[in-house]
Amino acid sequence: GESVGLHLPTLSVQEGDNSIINCAYSNSASDYFIWYKQESGKGPQFIIDIRSNMDKRQGQRVTVLLNKTVKHLSLQIAATQPGDSAVYFCAENYRPGGYNKLIFGAGTRLAVHP
Amino acid sequence: DGGITQSPKYLFRKEGQNVTLSCEQNLNHDAMYWYRQDPGQGLRLIYYSQIVNDFQKGDIAEGYSVSREKKESFPLTVTSAQKNPTAFYLCASSPTSGGSTDTQYFGPGTRLTVL
Repeated sequence: GESVGLHLPTLSVQEGDNSIINCAYSNSASDYFIWYKQESGKGPQFIIDIRSNMDKRQGQRVTVLLNKTVKHLSLQIAATQPGDSAVYFCAENYRPGGYNKLIFGAGTRLAVHP
Repeated sequence: DGGITQSPKYLFRKEGQNVTLSCEQNLNHDAMYWYRQDPGQGLRLIYYSQIVNDFQKGDIAEGYSVSREKKESFPLTVTSAQKNPTAFYLCASSPTSGGSTDTQYFGPGTRLTVL
């Protein structure tokens, strides 16, 4: 399969544990944030999003936290499963000139061990 | 992959050749995007299109060209002027390009290798 990130930071967790993946974003004017999951050889898959007027949003087994003061975003995955193993990207939505520009982080590899 | 298809999945190009990557969406989205992904890096924007018959350069447009003759199609041509074209190419679309919370949805990608 495709090697999405050969030298990415890696988070290793045991199956069943909770995972926290962190991301620092760059632009204080960004108004919308998205987490994507990318499995080897595939395109990024939308997981969860959050608007800048919120500080927390929950989905199924996932929670995103936004701290605008320090420009920090985190993704929490509850009861991590082997199928969660992938590279996770945060993206900030910045709108120069009226179009949506996504700025992506380099990604974090999540490795789930049985 | 949400109604976005890319073809081919793997593409091999000889030095000096132009190649065209296909991207089609049946989501009725107005906006479409092309990204390039290299190992250890996030996605970088090549070109985007907000509406039919209009497109704009992204951050790394040199050596690439696009067209948007139909709403559902946004092909990318990698020209011989692109010095290092080996990469994973991702197409995305969003309902519009100006809404504050328009999520971009991605296709499965095309892996281009220069021989």
